[in-house]
Amino acid sequence: KAGVTQTPRYLIKTRGQQVTLSCSPISGHRSVSWYQQTPGQGLQFLFEYFSETQRNKGNFPGRFSGRQFSNSRSEMNVSTLELGDSALYLCASTPSGGLFGTQYFGPGTRLTVL
Amino acid sequence: DQQVKQNSPSLSVQEGRISILNCDYTNSMFDYFLWYKKYPAEGPTFLISISSIKDKNEDGRFTVFLNKSAKHLSLHIVPSQPGDSAVYFCAVSQGNLIFGKGTKLSVKP
Repeated sequence: KAGVTQTPRYLIKTRGQQVTLSCSPISGHRSVSWYQQTPGQGLQFLFEYFSETQRNKGNFPGRFSGRQFSNSRSEMNVSTLELGDSALYLCASTPSGGLFGTQYFGPGTRLTVL
Repeated sequence: DQQVKQNSPSLSVQEGRISILNCDYTNSMFDYFLWYKKYPAEGPTFLISISSIKDKNEDGRFTVFLNKSAKHLSLHIVPSQPGDSAVYFCAVSQGNLIFGKGTKLSVKP
């Protein structure tokens, strides 16, 4: 079975721009979660989608948004980028939804904001 | 204020010995606890979990202990192997997941 894939792997943007990251979960997995990892804050939960609905949300500003499609693929969008948004963005999928089960993480997208 | 703390940024252990990774949390309402391992340039990998109704869960070389009164979680790896060298994150759940900042474990041959 193919793992979780994320595209692109690396991205460079400038302040004020917006960015869209993509995550394809493992086939058959219906839940996708997004995380931000930075050296200062560590790994922080952004949001979780299950069956195209946002089910859980972390403490991030409204500039961070996401969606999930009917094939369970998910996108995350960050608008009006700030320098502090530079981070590794990880997505994870689980078979049956929820954050309790085993999560399978993708390799991440490294976003650099200049 | 951090709700989940891993106070040791790094830990070095000899191969074959026990590795003990610690995690403290602040909220007694957390009901599910997890450990993840992360290698460089890869996403985290789920290792082991425990619910608040238990105080110990074992899976092969990995054992997680939960001390609810002390709000303390620990991961024991016995025996430690060089391939265990990675960053270990604890996480707690109450609807969403809150991660500690990680402990870098180095297992020396």
